[in-house]
Amino acid sequence: AQSVAQPEDQVNVAEGNPLTVKCTYSVSGNPYLFWYVQYPNRGLQFLLKYITGDNLVKGSYGFEAEFNKSQTSFHLKKPSALVSDSALYFCAVRAPFAGNMLTFGGGTRLMVKP
Amino acid sequence: SQTIHQWPATLVQPVGSPLSLECTVEGTSNPNLYWYRQAAGRGLQLLFYSVGIGQISSEVPQNLSASRPQDRQFILSSKKLLLSDSGFYLCACPYSGTALNTEAFFGQGTRLTVV
Repeated sequence: AQSVAQPEDQVNVAEGNPLTVKCTYSVSGNPYLFWYVQYPNRGLQFLLKYITGDNLVKGSYGFEAEFNKSQTSFHLKKPSALVSDSALYFCAVRAPFAGNMLTFGGGTRLMVKP
Repeated sequence: SQTIHQWPATLVQPVGSPLSLECTVEGTSNPNLYWYRQAAGRGLQLLFYSVGIGQISSEVPQNLSASRPQDRQFILSSKKLLLSDSGFYLCACPYSGTALNTEAFFGQGTRLTVV
C-alpha cells in the first residue's frame, strides 16, 4: 500500500526567506505525486504535480517541488516566502489501482511571519 | 472545466440524528468520486470512493455510508450520528474523470459539528 509522510507538523519562516516543506513517500511502481494547499475552512487547492520528466516541477504561486527518486522525497519549496503563504500544505500520492484515490500526508502548517 | 458543489457548508446536528451530505459535479461525465474527512484541521482520511453509479467502496468501517444514485451525484449519509463524526468533509473528483496522472478537484467542504 502507498503512504506519504510529512515529518513536520509546522514550519516557521520569516517573510522573504526561502521555505521548504518536506514530504517522503512509499509506493509500488512509478509515483504520481501532488501538493495541495488548504486555507481555513476551505477545500484543497492544487499546487503542482510530478508525473514524469524533469525532477524540478514548477507550480502555482511561485512554488516548486523537487522529486528525488533515490530518497523517495518530494519536497515543496519557494525561494521567498510571503505572509499570504501561511496555510496547511498536503503532499499526496496517487495509487495506480482501483479507484485511483489520493493518499495524503498528515499535513504541514506553514507560518510565515512578517 | 469541472466544478464540484457541496452542501451545506456548515451543519450542526445532535447526536443520534441522521445525516445527508450531497456532492454534485459539473463539467465531466462518469468521474471517479471520493469522500474524505478531515479531523481537527489535519490529515485527510479517505472514507469512500465510487467509480460509477451504484458502485461504492469503503475504505474505513464506520458509522457512515455513501451512495451514488446518479453519474455526477455522490451522497454521504448516516442513520445516527456520533460525536466522533464531527469533522470537515470534502468531496473530490480527478480533473479528467478517472486518469491516474491528473490532479483532483475538491469541493469547498462541509463543516459538521455533532453536539
